[in-house]
Amino acid sequence: LAKTTQPISMDSYEGQEVNITCSHNNIATNDYITWYQQFPSQGPRFIIQGYKTKVTNEVASLFIPADRKSSTLSLPRVSLSDTAVYYCLVGVGTYKYIFGTGTRLKVLA
Amino acid sequence: DSGVTQTPKHLITATGQRVTLRCSPRSGDLSVYWYQQSLDQGLQFLIHYYNGEERAKGNILERFSAQQFPDLHSELNLSSLELGDSALYFCASSELAGLNTGELFFGEGSRLTVL
Repeated sequence: LAKTTQPISMDSYEGQEVNITCSHNNIATNDYITWYQQFPSQGPRFIIQGYKTKVTNEVASLFIPADRKSSTLSLPRVSLSDTAVYYCLVGVGTYKYIFGTGTRLKVLA
Repeated sequence: DSGVTQTPKHLITATGQRVTLRCSPRSGDLSVYWYQQSLDQGLQFLIHYYNGEERAKGNILERFSAQQFPDLHSELNLSSLELGDSALYFCASSELAGLNTGELFFGEGSRLTVL
């Protein structure tokens, strides 16, 4: 199956903005890009979803360039509780939804 | 609480054995997805069912099988278990077959340990 790649890990300080990228060269034409947050031993939890350009909700923004081969999750003013693993999820065709390799974010005091 | 229920939460068994993991989707959701997450690894897509029919397969081994029943619950059967099958198995559900303008709702997972 197609590989969807993310940086392995990132460190940030509280109050800073964090940007996490996902490369998804094989995204299907009509499929959306979704981002999830996962804490240890828990199921992933939805953060944000978009198709193109920019989407913003109460917790994050998602930036998607015109070619849709990548996306960037932006977390404004992170706190210690944002320490988690972040995954992008993309459709690669025919109802297959593949998670990215995951980015482990550590927020420091 | 996502509304997706997985049982059992924990399961310990021996190599060569067979186990069944069960998933009840959110009320009204027709799609069920299974993912495998090995220790410190990412989420690997196994299989997707929609309204009782298989819609997509990922990296699912031949020793593994799944089905979705008329009441929409799903079971993942793992047989001839090996040490490497030890993992967290997640079930997720969604309303439709495709995820456009929708999201996956995940259960808390079933942790399988093969000794």
